[in-house]
Amino acid sequence: GDSVTQMEGPVTLSEEAFLTINCTYTATGYPSLFWYVQYPGEGLQLLLKATKADDKGSNKGFEATYRKETTSFHLEKGSVQVSDSAVYFCALSDRETSGSRLTFGEGTQLTVNP
Amino acid sequence: NAGVMQNPRHLVRRRGQEARLRCSPMKGHSHVYWYRQLPEEGLKFMVYLQKENIIDESGMPKERFSAEFPKEGPSILRIQQVVRGDSAAYFCASSLGGRAYNEQFFGPGTRLTVL
Repeated sequence: GDSVTQMEGPVTLSEEAFLTINCTYTATGYPSLFWYVQYPGEGLQLLLKATKADDKGSNKGFEATYRKETTSFHLEKGSVQVSDSAVYFCALSDRETSGSRLTFGEGTQLTVNP
Repeated sequence: NAGVMQNPRHLVRRRGQEARLRCSPMKGHSHVYWYRQLPEEGLKFMVYLQKENIIDESGMPKERFSAEFPKEGPSILRIQQVVRGDSAAYFCASSLGGRAYNEQFFGPGTRLTVL
């Protein structure tokens, strides 16, 4: 079945540091890939997405590139801010399954200190 | 343009009671998904519904859990005879279409506590 593996957290960085959160996946079909962010006590918000190989999703300074050859979708940001502190989830939606149900990774807690 | 709405935001039940969680999708969305987030874990898919139809319930526990999305009104996730292990955050999401690339919009969740 489909699965998503994220790097283990928590991750603690200083403001303006470089961020990488690794994400790899397995899928039976040709998935679309997503990064969601969850702030404390809130629901998930879509951060970025990519629907085919070599696509780069980007938003709010975050980027991730769909790498089919390495089955990866690593999240990066060049300079993090305190306001980026949240839990980040990598997810996929597989065209071989019904609808656009999402399979999530376990989440990575990011804390950015001033 | 209101987003996905869920109520209640917090629900406390004693063991053996019933829990009803409601989800109103975004305007124009006819695809609804329910996910459960156990403490310190990621979200797990439970069920996918379209209006009046259950499309995929492969993530639903076999007993005590049911879901519906009637022609009129919100989607309901119903948990009968709750147990402590049902304590979790339950998130609803909606999408415009049912394709893999369709973005899902999430509600704020219902946090269920079973005493």
